[in-house]
Amino acid sequence: DGGITQSPKYLFRKEGQNVTLSCEQNLNHDAMYWYRQDPGQGLRLIYYSQIVNDFQKGDIAEGYSVSREKKESFPLTVTSAQKNPTAFYLCASSPQAGTGFADTQYFGPGTRLTVL
Amino acid sequence: AQSVTQLGSHVSVSEGALVLLRCNYSSSVPPYLFWYVQYPNQGLQLLLKYTSAATLVKGINGFEAEFKKSETSFHLTKPSAHMSDAAEYFCAVSPRGYNKLIFGAGTRLAVHP
Repeated sequence: DGGITQSPKYLFRKEGQNVTLSCEQNLNHDAMYWYRQDPGQGLRLIYYSQIVNDFQKGDIAEGYSVSREKKESFPLTVTSAQKNPTAFYLCASSPQAGTGFADTQYFGPGTRLTVL
Repeated sequence: AQSVTQLGSHVSVSEGALVLLRCNYSSSVPPYLFWYVQYPNQGLQLLLKYTSAATLVKGINGFEAEFKKSETSFHLTKPSAHMSDAAEYFCAVSPRGYNKLIFGAGTRLAVHP
């Protein structure tokens, strides 16, 4: 059964701790994305990766880090430098359309991070 | 700059009434356009997408959207709302040569009996 998995579903962090959110896909997609969603707001892009071993900053990359060592995995680390990390985090993947446009993004179920 | 605007952060309809969620984009070249739905505490699910083929696009759950180049719009409609349609809806645009989607701020749809 193909799809995107994110774990854990809920995560609690103490101030000053780094935490890593997992995102795995078995859709054989080249591109992967991390978004942050705050209540009543849309999606804000944190980081994205078009290919293994390469990634780019999105609109709100400060306080976050990522790696892309495998095609199917794109973990996100929320560092202690992120001042307000409490939010809902969404991972997505998409194939490379080859049309000059970004293709459909498929989303995971999300991880809700709460800082205590 | 490319952008997408969803008019109305909250829309409320009666069960059985027409659903109309508005989306306008800014792009000199017709982009790809998407509508996604998000239920509480879940990820986004694709409803439908426009990729320069037919201007009227049919999606899942009885939704459809019409691409109107002259109005730079891609409004989402459903003839008869159901209670299960209550969710947040996001319009997204993929401009030519841009390798990301640009999402609107979202519209929360409430359906009341």
